[in-house]
Amino acid sequence: KNEVEQSPQNLTAQEGEFITINCSYSVGISALHWLQQHPGGGIVSLFMLSSGKKKHGRLIATINIQEKHSSLHITASHPRDSAVYICAHDRGSTLGRLYFGRGTQLTVWP
Amino acid sequence: KAGVTQTPRYLIKTRGQQVTLSCSPISGHRSVSWYQQTPGQGLQFLFEYFSETQRNKGNFPGRFSGRQFSNSRSEMNVSTLELGDSALYLCASSFLAGDDGEQFFGPGTRLTVL
Repeated sequence: KNEVEQSPQNLTAQEGEFITINCSYSVGISALHWLQQHPGGGIVSLFMLSSGKKKHGRLIATINIQEKHSSLHITASHPRDSAVYICAHDRGSTLGRLYFGRGTQLTVWP
Repeated sequence: KAGVTQTPRYLIKTRGQQVTLSCSPISGHRSVSWYQQTPGQGLQFLFEYFSETQRNKGNFPGRFSGRQFSNSRSEMNVSTLELGDSALYLCASSFLAGDDGEQFFGPGTRLTVL
């Protein structure tokens, strides 16, 4: 069983819709990462958070440490948001290793 | 500030050959992690280097090795290539030793083994 579970696996939305991607994990962590991967492979770090909530532009990430759950929200979605969104954690380690979910493929139609 | 760079971007090899991939971290970053991404297994951790020392290693066979130089640049080597080694290999660098170590990823090297 993967210790990082993401849902949904695939998500299709119309431009302007509010998007939520969920991530659940089963171990103690120091930090939870949200990553974005576009076709072609490059990965961009969106958020690293260990508590509460962070916001960058139209993206919001929240985490509930007690419930071992995090969500990534995209407000006013746009076709350029189409990508794979990956949740990852460090399992409480400081040794540069991340444990990844399988990703959520988001497609936003104009 | 320049981002993480990886060379080469694409590589085609045949079974049994060996390959060396290179990663140059963001200036000032001392930690470099390597990951393998395949459609079947997703993203998996290979190893991490900090100040020329391998601090952490994933569950890969000994054919996968790496090193880090004094300027923090890192290389990974795969010997006796197998078809299953075809993958996207990503490196990521971070500034801090561990706590709050946000990782910045390179564009990846896509390796095809024929």
